[in-house]
Amino acid sequence: EAGVAQSPRYKIIEKRQSVAFWCNPISGHATLYWYQQILGQGPKLLIQFQNNGVVDDSQLPKDRFSAERLKGVDSTLKIQPAKLEDSAVYLCASSQRLAGNQETQYFGPGTRLLVL
Amino acid sequence: AQKITQTQPGMFVQEKEAVTLDCTYDTSDPSYGLFWYKQPSSGEMIFLIYQGSYDQQNATEGRYSLNFQKARKSANLVISASQLGDSAMYFCAMNLNFGNEKLTFGTGTRLTIIP
Repeated sequence: EAGVAQSPRYKIIEKRQSVAFWCNPISGHATLYWYQQILGQGPKLLIQFQNNGVVDDSQLPKDRFSAERLKGVDSTLKIQPAKLEDSAVYLCASSQRLAGNQETQYFGPGTRLLVL
Repeated sequence: AQKITQTQPGMFVQEKEAVTLDCTYDTSDPSYGLFWYKQPSSGEMIFLIYQGSYDQQNATEGRYSLNFQKARKSANLVISASQLGDSAMYFCAMNLNFGNEKLTFGTGTRLTIIP
């Protein structure tokens, strides 16, 4: 079974430029998450989708970040304009609720963004 | 709101020894899940083990076991017979079982296995 795919793996941009990240979740997983991981910290949720609807975007800086999940499969995360503090690893995860209460999230390899 | 605390920024362990990584959590919700993830230098978060708040027995997955002490709100990861490939960052995380399932992560522990 293929895992979560993300691209690009690395991106270097200058501040005030725009950038987009792409994620393809595990087939059949209804829930998709975008996390931001700043160096030395644990990941922090930016946005959660259930199929193509937003469940939680309370931590998403909406003045510069946007995300969509058209057709309930792939997702893109965009930053426009980028700031220096956006330098981080952006992790995409997907999950599927199985019998019982366990819903395990599986992560992609991440996109390392450096804003100069 | 949930909170995860990992108090060990770094640990060095001799190869083949067992190691315990500490994790304490805080939540007022009675139904939750606890997770451990491994993050090698490549950056991917690899799921290791899960413990539900109502599970009576400690979870085990191969060389990984989770020492769940509910009254103390601790969920320590035990790795038996450590290997060089275990060198990585380890994150403890939790979510609630109903409603929003987002993971709340700790700050991580960097484990280095010494040959």
